[in-house]
Amino acid sequence: ILNVEQSPQSLHVQEGDSTNFTCSFPSSNFYALHWYRWETAKSPEALFVMTLNGDEKKKGRISATLNTKEGYSYLYIKGSQPEDSATYLCAFEGGGSEKLVFGKGTKLTVNP
Amino acid sequence: GAGVSQSPSNKVTEKGKDVELRCDPISGHTALYWYRQRLGQGLEFLIYFQGNSAPDKSGLPSDRFSAERTGESVSTLTIQRTQQEDSAVYLCAKTGLADYLGTDTQYFGPGTRLTVL
Repeated sequence: ILNVEQSPQSLHVQEGDSTNFTCSFPSSNFYALHWYRWETAKSPEALFVMTLNGDEKKKGRISATLNTKEGYSYLYIKGSQPEDSATYLCAFEGGGSEKLVFGKGTKLTVNP
Repeated sequence: GAGVSQSPSNKVTEKGKDVELRCDPISGHTALYWYRQRLGQGLEFLIYFQGNSAPDKSGLPSDRFSAERTGESVSTLTIQRTQQEDSAVYLCAKTGLADYLGTDTQYFGPGTRLTVL
């Protein structure tokens, strides 16, 4: 059974703080690692799809890194804003499989 | 959600009743997925449709769950004799190319929140 772990489970920060959270996944049979943002009452939205070891992606104040050899990815948010409040999900895609295996997510709350 | 609609948005039902959840990928697409998220859990894969191939039902938790899809259009997830542990948000997703990502990703619908009393 594939195991995708995310930590912390939840996080409360103040507006302007920078923060990061972790996704760990199997280091074997890796194809891609997906990050999604899921705001309350909305659909999960894809942030990044990462495929190469050492890959770094950036979208505005959000960035992500990938280490496929040790099986982890970090998501960073610089200068958090209240609108960043959401659950951040990572999902592992293995080679030869179209299915994504999701972690339980990190729920971020940014207080004004 | 980039062209995926789901209905109803909320459904409250009594234990033992059957429910039908609908997903419309709108523009049509060969690959369609159903997931659910129960309270405190991650997104759990249920079933996957790909073109004319036999669906991958490996995630369906019991034989009370079934899903159908007609061609590349609407899919219906049916839960018979609902139980309280079926309470969850049920999400439908389709694959598509995301220009801003430069690769395929899954586009999700808004979900159906099912509550079984």
